[in-house]
Amino acid sequence: LAKTTQPISMDSYEGQEVNITCSHNNIATNDYITWYQQFPSQGPRFIIQGYKTKVTNEVASLFIPADRKSSTLSLPRVSLSDTAVYYCLVGGYSSASKIIFGSGTRLSIRP
Amino acid sequence: DTAVSQTPKYLVTQMGNDKSIKCEQNLGHDTMYWYKQDSKKFLKIMFSYNNKELIINETVPNRFSPKSPDKAHLNLHINSLELGDSAVYFCASSPITGEQYFGPGTRLTVT
Repeated sequence: LAKTTQPISMDSYEGQEVNITCSHNNIATNDYITWYQQFPSQGPRFIIQGYKTKVTNEVASLFIPADRKSSTLSLPRVSLSDTAVYYCLVGGYSSASKIIFGSGTRLSIRP
Repeated sequence: DTAVSQTPKYLVTQMGNDKSIKCEQNLGHDTMYWYKQDSKKFLKIMFSYNNKELIINETVPNRFSPKSPDKAHLNLHINSLELGDSAVYFCASSPITGEQYFGPGTRLTVT
């Protein structure tokens, strides 16, 4: 059962790159790593998912070291609208996989 | 077109009442979920259905009963509502790749 640990909060400024790290020491062989973003009064929104090395899409990059015991979500050139809570989730593709959302990281972006 | 929709968005009711929340997804996903997000913002999975079959049933009071008439719908019925049931309830769906797509949430207030 992979539990995740993230910083409770982070602050940054517009235009900066933000890296949020998640620890998941007990990640299983078939677990994937998925990140979600949640704005107040909205449902979480899928950002990115990966298994190993690096994954990049139009909004973020995900870096996963070889041991997979941690992962880093990288947000390039953040803006005020990136202020949100970011959740790291580990689990398998199976619909029966245990799903546990951690407490998330509250990211605040300042002008 | 809304991918995952929930009704109602807000629900205010008195203790002891029975209420239902409906969820529909038009993404063609086989798996659907119900989550509860309490005042401390922790997201906890309650149920997961795969192609109308119950897969995950976390430690949830049996006053909560999910029903999936078809794989595009997963409704949540709650009997004998209690004050502690007040929360935001999110429905989600996922394809075989596991990433979840959440609905806008239903804010339930029990008075």
